[in-house]
Amino acid sequence: DQQVKQNSPSLSVQEGRISILNCDYTNSMFDYFLWYKKYPAEGPTFLISISSIKDKNEDGRFTVFLNKSAKHLSLHIVPSQPGDSAVYFCAADTSNTGKLIFGQGTTLQVKP
Amino acid sequence: DTAVSQTPKYLVTQMGNDKSIKCEQNLGHDTMYWYKQDSKKFLKIMFSYNNKELIINETVPNRFSPKSPDKAHLNLHINSLELGDSAVYFCASSPAIADSYEQYFGPGTRLTVT
Repeated sequence: DQQVKQNSPSLSVQEGRISILNCDYTNSMFDYFLWYKKYPAEGPTFLISISSIKDKNEDGRFTVFLNKSAKHLSLHIVPSQPGDSAVYFCAADTSNTGKLIFGQGTTLQVKP
Repeated sequence: DTAVSQTPKYLVTQMGNDKSIKCEQNLGHDTMYWYKQDSKKFLKIMFSYNNKELIINETVPNRFSPKSPDKAHLNLHINSLELGDSAVYFCASSPAIADSYEQYFGPGTRLTVT
């Protein structure tokens, strides 16, 4: 039973354009959501997060949108850069347990 | 300086052996975690320790035993290794359970059981 799903295994965009990565969840008890970025042979690194009391959080080129009624969140990267090419994981937590539930990741390729 | 480090980076061993993976963090964090990333790339939490106390213990075979000698270290010992244990194991840490949303990951240990 996968509570956090990233249905697109891969995404390819042109440098300078917008990248939109999507994530769906089933557990309505999730109250915090995070995006992690992972390069090959490295561990995931924290990118951006959002609390369930918000619907948008922005940090530079990265914006996360949360639609609680649809149980959906998305990560927007504008403008996309070749260095953004990596695997992006969506994760969720409930009541600050520290037990992050991860999606299976989306591989983003940004072409120069 | 590496914030969360793991040794070894690669581990190849035979079925039935016992092996350990070490993890150290120099961030001063109180909470440490072990995750397993399987062949389908799912990252799943296995254990979590807060100040040397076990706080999360997911459905993991008891052949896996975490040990935390101090809050900067969380080691993973695996007995009687099986083929299905082949995976990448990530250690992570976070400042305290109340701020545990953001976790900092190590580079991973790729375990191959033959």
